[in-house]
Amino acid sequence: DGGITQSPKYLFRKEGQNVTLSCEQNLNHDAMYWYRQDPGQGLRLIYYSQIVNDFQKGDIAEGYSVSREKKESFPLTVTSAQKNPTAFYLCASSVTNQPQHFGDGTRLSIL
Amino acid sequence: SQQGEEDPQALSIQEGENATMNCSYKTSINNLQWYRQNSGRGLVHLILIRSNEREKHSGRLRVTLDTSKKSSSLLITASRAADTASYFCATDDNAGNMLTFGGGTRLMVKP
Repeated sequence: DGGITQSPKYLFRKEGQNVTLSCEQNLNHDAMYWYRQDPGQGLRLIYYSQIVNDFQKGDIAEGYSVSREKKESFPLTVTSAQKNPTAFYLCASSVTNQPQHFGDGTRLSIL
Repeated sequence: SQQGEEDPQALSIQEGENATMNCSYKTSINNLQWYRQNSGRGLVHLILIRSNEREKHSGRLRVTLDTSKKSSSLLITASRAADTASYFCATDDNAGNMLTFGGGTRLMVKP
């Protein structure tokens, strides 16, 4: 079945450590997105990519980095510069100007 | 920046009743979308309404859009316990590149 797979489901980060969240889609969508969701809040856009080898910052890109080397994959790295990384991270993909399809998220916590 | 704001933030109703959620936004839009999120899961797209449309139906869902008031409403008729979830409105920029999500309405339907 086509869809978006995020892994891992739960992730723990030590102080000063970079961690990478995986997002893979087999929907053949050009656009992919990363969002952050804090408890009881809506989604805030971190980065998005409309085409391979190109991506743009969203509203809260500081402390995060991404790459888009393949159409199917859009990994997110939470760097040590992100001082408050504890959150629920959601990846999505879409055909341009069409509704977004979401993965089931990765919950990141600090040890 | 958060474009859409949902109202109420939380809503509790009995099974069989109707649930109405409202969304207000600030700037011109291309379209407005409603999404649903079950606890700890990703978002699922419910319905998209374009800026030149006033009303749209999908099963038990009815969405209205008033661009003069910059507001939309989502009506769920004959609610079921399985409708318990958070509901988010999302607006796109006029280029259709990014979605901006509101803070959501948490709906609880009691059996």
